[in-house]
Amino acid sequence: DAGITQSPRHKVTETGTPVTLRCHQTENHRYMYWYRQDPGHGLRLIHYSYGVKDTDKGEVSDGYSVSRSKTEDFLLTLESATSSQTSVYFCAIAAEVWTEAFFGQGTRLTVV
Amino acid sequence: RKEVEQDPGPFNVPEGATVAFNCTYSNSASQSFFWYRQDCRKEPKLLMSVYSSGNEDGRFTAQLNRASQYISLLIRDSKLSDSATYLCVVNEKNTGFQKLVFGTGTRLLVSP
Repeated sequence: DAGITQSPRHKVTETGTPVTLRCHQTENHRYMYWYRQDPGHGLRLIHYSYGVKDTDKGEVSDGYSVSRSKTEDFLLTLESATSSQTSVYFCAIAAEVWTEAFFGQGTRLTVV
Repeated sequence: RKEVEQDPGPFNVPEGATVAFNCTYSNSASQSFFWYRQDCRKEPKLLMSVYSSGNEDGRFTAQLNRASQYISLLIRDSKLSDSATYLCVVNEKNTGFQKLVFGTGTRLLVSP
């Protein structure tokens, strides 16, 4: 299995608080992604990174920010959590533009 | 129109049956195609890549039709353990950077 870990695996937080999710990889892959998965919507891209300090928005980026200061770490921050951000968040990594992606085990976030 | 479309199912089949899923994509510039499998509350895992010439891995066969912009997955001799959601994934190249677009998945239920 690809060396990719997400932390925390589960989190419950209150509306209005900031939350940071971490994705760590040991594969030295260039591309890293954050997705959220909700019933009826499938996997939706939040943000992605194509290198250190190089990031771009996905289709559902509002309310989220990311940072990648090292190749191995990609952080997702919910600036002020809302109940609509209750979801399962997956991080994924890929070596090259044309290759498959490998996923972390997911973070289950509940905003109350 | 969604970028990647799949029939959500569920497809209910008996053990030993052959079942086929199709997936259509909208971007004719798409370059890479994959099928992923996702078990309940787990991360998606790569099942197989899809090549222009078609490819087979044991009981699984994937086909790509670029002219009609669809990919297919055929599962022969279904096993109970094949019960899962199958995600069609298209890798689009957008101004030089990779973007993975996921279908919402097709659910397969294999019964004894």
